[in-house]
Amino acid sequence: DIQMTQSPSSLSASVGDRVTITCRASQSISSYLNWYQQKPGKAPKLLIYAASSLQSGVPSRFSGSGSGTDFTLTISSLQPEDFATYYCQQSYRTRGFGPGTKVDIK
Amino acid sequence: QVQLVQSGAEVKKPGSSVKVSCKASGGTFSSYAISWVRQAPGQGLEWMGGIIPIFGTANYAQKFQGRVTITADESTSTAYMELSSLRSEDTAVYYCARDEMTTVTTGSENYYYYYMDVWGKGTTVTVSS
Repeated sequence: DIQMTQSPSSLSASVGDRVTITCRASQSISSYLNWYQQKPGKAPKLLIYAASSLQSGVPSRFSGSGSGTDFTLTISSLQPEDFATYYCQQSYRTRGFGPGTKVDIK
Repeated sequence: QVQLVQSGAEVKKPGSSVKVSCKASGGTFSSYAISWVRQAPGQGLEWMGGIIPIFGTANYAQKFQGRVTITADESTSTAYMELSSLRSEDTAVYYCARDEMTTVTTGSENYYYYYMDVWGKGTTVTVSS
């Protein structure tokens, strides 16, 4: 199985901050990496697919980069509605999620 | 606009089975994959398995092999996930999601990217004696 890790596991930030979340795969997954946002009591929401493609309707302050084993999700200017948990997910071999990164208010 | 509507909450006894349904409206059901993902209370997301209805064959996460069965009924545009031998650790919210695909052609090579772009609202399954 491909193992996914994320760092940090949680972070505190202020509105307007630039936030970066890292995801690492245990083996190369090319660009088969997606990012999701989840708020309490809600289903996850797709933000980024294929490592760097912005899902339709997602604000442009979200961006993704990376390939191989190391990936990054960046929020360029954190907004109040962005406080949530973020998950990476590989689709290279079956599927698997990272453990999540919780972004809360400083 | 594809929507996925899941069946209602379930309370089950340890050792029993549960079958959760996921009915799709809009789009062409048989042309995309459906994944099942669960989330235990306070925990992260866990992929259980998926199916492409037009092919009818499912694949499963190793952790759930032998205990989960995913099926699809094209005539009703409904996917099902059945989990057997339930234990308390199976208490979770179970989601179905459309596993959409985008093809990217680079030179003479096609690359197929899958991502879960439409989700059901989730079905809470509680396992308790």
